[in-house]
Amino acid sequence: AQKITQTQPGMFVQEKEAVTLDCTYDTSDQSYGLFWYKQPSSGEMIFLIYQGSYDEQNATEGRYSLNFQKARKSANLVISASQLGDSAMYFCAMREVSPGSNYQLIWGAGTKLIIKP
Amino acid sequence: NAGVTQTPKFQVLKTGQSMTLQCAQDMNHNSMYWYRQDPGMGLRLIYYSASEGTTDKGEVPNGYNVSRLNKREFSLRLESAAPSQTSVYFCASSIGLAAVSYNEQFFGPGTRLTVL
Repeated sequence: AQKITQTQPGMFVQEKEAVTLDCTYDTSDQSYGLFWYKQPSSGEMIFLIYQGSYDEQNATEGRYSLNFQKARKSANLVISASQLGDSAMYFCAMREVSPGSNYQLIWGAGTKLIIKP
Repeated sequence: NAGVTQTPKFQVLKTGQSMTLQCAQDMNHNSMYWYRQDPGMGLRLIYYSASEGTTDKGEVPNGYNVSRLNKREFSLRLESAAPSQTSVYFCASSIGLAAVSYNEQFFGPGTRLTVL
């Protein structure tokens, strides 16, 4: 069964430092997509970045990049030059798209990131 | 362009009461979803609608019913609320349930429901 594991319940990082949020996934499918969402204290879910299983290059979106290691089944989110506004919960999610899958997003439990000034 | 809207934003119910959470999207998306979010857990899918006229159970459907009223609207009903249903409920939509890996879901602001 597919599963997403985020091993860091909480992290404290100094402002302007880079931060890596861990995500490992378990799937037997060859075709899938990996997503990261941010949830600030206001509660909304904000899409950050996407990586496809067949993408050869790591995804990047501004200060966000995804360190995709397919053999290790990890998809860590890297935030460069962290800012106070990055303080939030971060969720990793996976969607299988092979024939026979149900195409649903499976979510990790999240990591609470706090940026210290 | 409001995206995904949900009403109400907050609700307090007594055990056994019923209520309907409303969700609407204006992005012409085919697929819509209802999730619940409990403390310390990721989102769990309650029900989804791949397209207008279809609904399917997700991971935690017990105690809930849904209606895909039209392409825009997808409602979630609690027939007899229980304290275990205290949670934050999110509605989301996506272009479709197609077999392509990139299919971002857009989320509403959430409804905080407390069942006493």
